[in-house]
Amino acid sequence: GESVGLHLPTLSVQEGDNSIINCAYSNSASDYFIWYKQESGKGPQFIIDIRSNMDKRQGQRVTVLLNKTVKHLSLQIAATQPGDSAVYFCAENINTDKLIFGTGTRLQVFP
Amino acid sequence: EAGVTQSPTHLIKTRGQQVTLRCSPISGHTSVYWYQQALGLGLQFLLWYDEGEERNRGNFPPRFSGRQFPNYSSELNVNALELEDSALYLCASSKVRGERAFFGQGTRLTVV
Repeated sequence: GESVGLHLPTLSVQEGDNSIINCAYSNSASDYFIWYKQESGKGPQFIIDIRSNMDKRQGQRVTVLLNKTVKHLSLQIAATQPGDSAVYFCAENINTDKLIFGTGTRLQVFP
Repeated sequence: EAGVTQSPTHLIKTRGQQVTLRCSPISGHTSVYWYQQALGLGLQFLLWYDEGEERNRGNFPPRFSGRQFPNYSSELNVNALELEDSALYLCASSKVRGERAFFGQGTRLTVV
């Protein structure tokens, strides 16, 4: 199946610091991207999306940056809180046929 | 507004049995996606339905199938269950194909 990764990379940050989660996507034809947050035992939760005609989009405490040249996406979380602890996935829309998910990054917030 | 709902939340089946999982999309959403998430792994794309038609499927054997009803709800059927089918099965819906997909809480399937 189309999936990635057995071992989740982990990002550990101190409460109040900013977090940056990175994602490399696979298809240069992808034109739409989403970030999801998944807490243990729950379904993924939509955070923010961005189209390929933009390189930056901001939400509440979150910013997504898109670099099409190197096929790289990042999610920045400002003033990280304990409730932000979760696994974060990026997803790319390929030809509007499906959303393909990246490996996922585990974010751990410590006091 | 109700989110995506899935049923059942958990179930246990024996190898070789068949199972049906159900998904109700958000009102107004016509696209439904199914994903499999094995423990500790990422999301594997299974199926996509839009306007009652199967639009795309992932690299899964034919014993994984489904359908979408006129009210846009959907079923995922898995025949001849194998131990490695144990996973969280996630359903998502969107109003625009391939965009802003919102997920349900999933069905945790355990095959013994």
